[in-house]
Amino acid sequence: NTKITQSPRYLILGRANKSLECEQHLGHNAMYWYKQSAEKPPELMFLYNLKQLIRNETVPSRFIPECPDSSKLLLHISAVDPEDSAVYFCASSPTVSNERLFFGHGTKLSVL
Amino acid sequence: GDSVTQKQGQVTLSEDDFLFINCTYSTTTYPTLLWYVQYPGQGPQLLLKVTTANNKGISRGFEATYDKGTTSFHLQKASVQESDSAVYFCALVENYGNEKITFGAGTKLTIKP
Repeated sequence: NTKITQSPRYLILGRANKSLECEQHLGHNAMYWYKQSAEKPPELMFLYNLKQLIRNETVPSRFIPECPDSSKLLLHISAVDPEDSAVYFCASSPTVSNERLFFGHGTKLSVL
Repeated sequence: GDSVTQKQGQVTLSEDDFLFINCTYSTTTYPTLLWYVQYPGQGPQLLLKVTTANNKGISRGFEATYDKGTTSFHLQKASVQESDSAVYFCALVENYGNEKITFGAGTKLTIKP
């Protein structure tokens, strides 16, 4: 799926700060960050609609989302914890009420 | 709150076998029901969805029926192929707008050649 691109694909961190990037080329209004731990379903972290943050699930404050424009999404991570090791997926949908999410390939974060 | 239950963590079949993955849900309304499939190294993708307007969803040989009586939404396929090996998530979403998708735990399907 090249319509939603995420970078980097793999990330290995100590306690450094890093940002994950996502860009969608589908013209969708809604963009999401999901966290998927091993052998688990994806869990919603944040939801943006037309650049506005409208859902903020219970996420540690070291995760800060940013939506610089309607096609881009960033996730800033500071001082990662081992429990943060997971795959982070960006997703988008035409509207917030749409059940069909389009996921990127994800960023696999490994915390040392 | 809403919940989705998939009791089968793993299913192993041979090619051309019949597939049945169990899913039950709990909610106070009539949501839209979904099956997502996740192939190795990829994000999940919508396989099929069913609303209260249509009781059955069919896609790529897979089908699921919305059964309000038993609150079930089982996934079936008559004859599986090796390429169907993936993780299958049952899910639901309320129809209020701005509602998040509630995913089940997932069922890992392995098809032996």
